[in-house]
Order: sequence, then structure tokens, then C-alpha cells
Amino acid sequence: DSGVTQTPKHLITATGQRVTLRCSPRSGDLSVYWYQQSLDQGLQFLIQYYNGEERAKGNILERFSAQQFPDLHSELNLSSLELGDSALYFCASSVAQKLTRQGFSGANVLTFGAGSRLTVL
Amino acid sequence: GDSVTQMEGPVTLSEEAFLTINCTYTATGYPSLFWYVQYPGEGLQLLLKATKADDKGSNKGFEATYRKETTSFHLEKGSVQVSDSAVYFCALTLYDKVIFGPGTSLSVIP
Repeated sequence: DSGVTQTPKHLITATGQRVTLRCSPRSGDLSVYWYQQSLDQGLQFLIQYYNGEERAKGNILERFSAQQFPDLHSELNLSSLELGDSALYFCASSVAQKLTRQGFSGANVLTFGAGSRLTVL
Repeated sequence: GDSVTQMEGPVTLSEEAFLTINCTYTATGYPSLFWYVQYPGEGLQLLLKATKADDKGSNKGFEATYRKETTSFHLEKGSVQVSDSAVYFCALTLYDKVIFGPGTSLSVIP
């Protein structure tokens, strides 16, 4: 058990639907990252939050949104689902490194959850 | 921009063979470098890391040395086991950025 909890583990839904994936970071970690892993695209960075604020954005579609709550858990919302959204969605958290004007300093070690497997039929 | 390049897989080795997975990076500053491993059906987990030039990270018989002059962080293991079959990701962090390579799938056959 990595300490990062993701729910649900598996989800099957239909095109056009909306789902919410949930992530509880490791105790004490302030940063949460979301990644999408599919067979043909590899590991794609979606978005990062730090202490409730959006910190960095990757290849996240407009149909997708996320937020980090005051208790630091995060949710990834996927709407108007398409077949191509079928993938593994990973959440990762990291210990808050020293935040400087340029960004985090120090080695930013990520701890990953076990993932949520989304199947869109 | 900043990036990580890994050798393409899949790599298939016999048990007890020597393993090298090449990783090179491009970064505008001084990144920290990592190898993560993903076993079948699991999330990624940290295998080893190095935070500055000439540092050597090691864990579970795997090693990688941070080479600034060649911008490389190649993963090596002297004798692989069937249980090492997994996908290996090279990654760098630099301030807010966390950049992963595409992953290299390793299969070790008895």
C-alpha cells in the first residue's frame, strides 16, 4: 500500500456519460498529480495541484476538470466521455518541497496510487 | 523544452542476463533524475533517484549514475530475475515540472 488511495478501481460506463475519480494523497503530501495511461499514448500528465491551487496543466482536455479540496483530496471529473477516454488514470502525491519563486526546489518524489481503470463502451 | 528519452522496447532477456536501459534527458537547469517501475496491474513506484551530477542511485540490485556531461541516467542490473519483468520509466523533476519518458517494457524469461 503506497498510501495514495484511488477510487473506484474499475469503472465501466457509456459514451456521453460523466464520471468522477477520487484520490486521497499520502498523509502530509500537499501536491497531487493526475496522469492518464493508455496503451498507445503512454503516461500523459494531466494536471497538478498544490495545497488546493492549480499548479501546472498538461494535456488535459476541456471535457476534463479537476480540483483539490481543503482536506487535500482531489477529484478528476471526466465528462462527455468518448471511447478514446478508456484508460488507466493515476493519481500521485508528493511531499511539499520548498516552494521558491521559480517553483519547487529539491527532488520531487512522486508516490502513485494503484489507478482507476475506466472503460467507456 | 525539457524532455526525457528512453530506449524503445519491449526488451526480452533471459534470467541472469545483464540489463541496460538507456535514458537521456534535456533540461534547461539542474534536474533530479529518477527511475520508476510499474509491475503488472500496479501503479508506478520509485526505484531509485539521483539529485546531482555523479550521484549513483541504487536499489534492489539496480543502479544508475547521473552523468551531466552526457545528460544520461542509464539503468543497469547485473543479473535480472523473472520478477524484474515490468515497465521502467525514466523521469526528471525540475522545479514544478515532472517529466516522464515513454517507458521501456522488460520481459525476463526463465
